[in-house]
Amino acid sequence: ETGVTQSPTHLIKTRGQQVTLRCSSQSGHNTVSWYQQALGQGPQFIFQYYREEENGRGNFPPRFSGLQFPNYSSELNVNALELDDSALYLCASSYWPGTGFLSSYNSPLHFGNGTRLTVT
Amino acid sequence: SQQGEEDPQALSIQEGENATMNCSYKTSINNLQWYRQNSGRGLVHLILIRSNEREKHSGRLRVTLDTSKKSSSLLITASRAADTASYFCAGEKETSGSRLTFGEGTQLTVNP
Repeated sequence: ETGVTQSPTHLIKTRGQQVTLRCSSQSGHNTVSWYQQALGQGPQFIFQYYREEENGRGNFPPRFSGLQFPNYSSELNVNALELDDSALYLCASSYWPGTGFLSSYNSPLHFGNGTRLTVT
Repeated sequence: SQQGEEDPQALSIQEGENATMNCSYKTSINNLQWYRQNSGRGLVHLILIRSNEREKHSGRLRVTLDTSKKSSSLLITASRAADTASYFCAGEKETSGSRLTFGEGTQLTVNP
């Protein structure tokens, strides 16, 4: 079973630039979500992708966008980088049967090791 | 806003002792999950407890959930130095796939 992998592991960008982070889901998973974790804080939900469509977004501006591909891998794009965007970006995958299924379905998240983004 | 707030923020104990971490949350949840994070790494799922459950065990872990008080606790028994990590609780408000609201975590240090 292949776990969640993220690339790159570290990245340094300048304010105003754009960045793309990548994530490969664990095999058998169909849902990908992205979290931002500032130093010393808990992860904050950015958005989730299911069946290649955004299916839920946290309190993040539109310059944070994403994609999910048919093989369930995903990208997180951030435009017009700001200093406060410096953080650990975590990708997580899970299996979700979708709406209409048992509301009691619960699936834990499987996280990658993250991409450390530094904006200078 | 934070769904979960852990208490204490930091905990230091000796190997072999038990560690108890508490979590409070604000809104109703479908389930509450606990995760562990080693420094600079991803989170690892430890245990999930549903809103209709009161207690759950997994190896050396024991989790309780009190929905009337909107609180949960994680007990690690017979701690080991390898348990040193940050521990986060996370609430899922509805079966939404993967939208969790995390607290700020408890940093546990187990001294050999």
